[in-house]
Amino acid sequence: KNEVEQSPQNLTAQEGEFITINCSYSVGISALHWLQQHPGGGIVSLFMLSSGKKKHGRLIATINIQEKHSSLHITASHPRDSAVYICAVRKGANTGNQFYFGTGTSLTVIP
Amino acid sequence: SQTIHQWPATLVQPVGSPLSLECTVEGTSNPNLYWYRQAAGRGLQLLFYSVGIGQISSEVPQNLSASRPQDRQFILSSKKLLLSDSGFYLCAWSLPLAYGYTFGSGTRLTVV
Repeated sequence: KNEVEQSPQNLTAQEGEFITINCSYSVGISALHWLQQHPGGGIVSLFMLSSGKKKHGRLIATINIQEKHSSLHITASHPRDSAVYICAVRKGANTGNQFYFGTGTSLTVIP
Repeated sequence: SQTIHQWPATLVQPVGSPLSLECTVEGTSNPNLYWYRQAAGRGLQLLFYSVGIGQISSEVPQNLSASRPQDRQFILSSKKLLLSDSGFYLCAWSLPLAYGYTFGSGTRLTVV
């Protein structure tokens, strides 16, 4: 069983829709990251969360440490938001092998 | 500001040929460095990480090796590529005792 589970695996939305991507994890973590991977493969870090909620433009990320769950929301979605969104959790900061990744959610936003 | 460079962007290599992918970080000292692989339709898999020059830890037994000859240089190598080595390879760095994490632009390797 994967330590990080994302849902849905694939998501198609109409432009302007509100989008939610979910991430559940089974290990104790120190931080959770939401990453965006563009069709060419490049990965951008969107958020790093250890508690609460963060907002950047149309993107909102929340985390519930007790429930081991995080959500990424996109408001007023746009075709340029089409990408794979990856949830990654980190157990600690002082060693190199503590990242666990979800398999990603492929989002397509249709004009 | 810190930047990470990874090259080449794409690579097509025959089975049995050697491999060398390079990653360098600028603007920081003593970073933790990582090599990840993303096979088609699968998530990111940690291959190697390094917390200092000459210090390499391997997460998955495989046909690949890594080296860190300088503080901000991380190299992924293979003596003889296999078809199963095809995938998207990403280098990343983070600061010790910090949670920020930055990926390189990746190398798409196709072994034919």
